[in-house]
Amino acid sequence: GAGVSQSPSNKVTEKGKDVELRCDPISGHTALYWYRQSLGQGLEFLIYFQGNSAPDKSGLPSDRFSAERTGGSVSTLTIQRTQQEDSAVYLCASSLEGLGSYNEQFFGPGTRLTVL
Amino acid sequence: AQKVTQAQTEISVVEKEDVTLDCVYETRDTTYYLFWYKQPPSGELVFLIRRNSFDEQNEISGRYSWNFQKSTSSFNFTITASQVVDSAVYFCALSEEGGADGLTFGKGTHLIIQP
Repeated sequence: GAGVSQSPSNKVTEKGKDVELRCDPISGHTALYWYRQSLGQGLEFLIYFQGNSAPDKSGLPSDRFSAERTGGSVSTLTIQRTQQEDSAVYLCASSLEGLGSYNEQFFGPGTRLTVL
Repeated sequence: AQKVTQAQTEISVVEKEDVTLDCVYETRDTTYYLFWYKQPPSGELVFLIRRNSFDEQNEISGRYSWNFQKSTSSFNFTITASQVVDSAVYFCALSEEGGADGLTFGKGTHLIIQP
């Protein structure tokens, strides 16, 4: 079956612009996660959705970051007024169940964001 | 808060050698889960194994084996008779039961297998 897909695969934007990143999880997976991978910070957890609900948004780096999930499926991560330090690979993952569960997370290929 | 340490930033070995990747974790929870992921040059993270905190039994899968020791808070990964295709960045990760922080990853170990 299809894995986790993300779009776009690459995004180059100018500082100050808004960007929207999309994630399509594996069908039937109720949990969805966003991570950021950068050279300096490694892999950082950003936010988690169980269904359409995100119980904890404290992992988001700043209030310029927001995320939503609709219909228990597709999720979008929006970064407003992008800064150069936002440049990173944004990874999405999904799993059958939620946080702390035994189920492994399946990762998408990521979106490489470059802010000029 | 939980923490995962992979002290080896980069390891380079010649093909067919055995190699062990170290992982040390910190957590206050008694119930937690440990994972290893592989990130080949293509970039996509690939799940390798999971282990819960109540199961210290070592596991072998082909050339891969994992040694989980709660006494030393370690979850090490050994590749036997390494191959060039094993070249990748390997991440150890921790998830706490009921935690709200997703997976906590180590910094990763870049493994280079030379032919």
